[in-house]
Amino acid sequence: GAGVSQSPRYKVAKRGQDVALRCDPISGHVSLFWYQQALGQGPEFLTYFQNEAQLDKSGLPSDRFFAERPEGSVSTLKIQRTQQEDSAVYLCASSPQTSTGELFFGEGSRLTVL
Amino acid sequence: QKEVEQNSGPLSVPEGAIASLNCTYSDRGSQSFFWYRQYSGKSPELIMSIYSNGDKEDGRFTAQLNKASQYVSLLIRDSQPSDSATYLCAGRGPGSARQLTFGSGTQLTVLP
Repeated sequence: GAGVSQSPRYKVAKRGQDVALRCDPISGHVSLFWYQQALGQGPEFLTYFQNEAQLDKSGLPSDRFFAERPEGSVSTLKIQRTQQEDSAVYLCASSPQTSTGELFFGEGSRLTVL
Repeated sequence: QKEVEQNSGPLSVPEGAIASLNCTYSDRGSQSFFWYRQYSGKSPELIMSIYSNGDKEDGRFTAQLNKASQYVSLLIRDSQPSDSATYLCAGRGPGSARQLTFGSGTQLTVLP
């Protein structure tokens, strides 16, 4: 069975460009999370979906960050007008239930903003 | 103050020794705790979960939780070089909170 798939694995953007990061969770997983991980740090929560509903977006650092999961499966994290401080690994994780702490992470999308 | 604190290390132990990793948390409402292992350049993977006070053992791993002291630990017995990784402690709050709050991780090196 396929795990969580993220694309692109690596993205280099010029400051001010818009980027879109895709996450394909494990089939049937209800919960989907986006985390941001800076070098040498733990993952920081960005946003959470239960099926297609975005139930928590309290971790999004600014209104330049936007996430969606329109059909309750694939999710996209969009960052507008990228800044250097957006450089990080963006991790997507899914979970089969809403009440478990077992998250299945994708390999991440490493974003470098020049 | 971060909600979940870990010593960043690095922690080095010889092969076959016990590695002890520690974590404290500030939110007394946190109900459940998790240890994730992250190899360099890879994604985190769950190795242990603990929900109640006391010890929980799984193979060479033992998780310990003390809610009164707001303290979580992970012991790795008979450490192997393949255990060399960053270990992330995470807590999950009560109620509707679904996300995990991670510490910054402790880098463990097991020396052959």
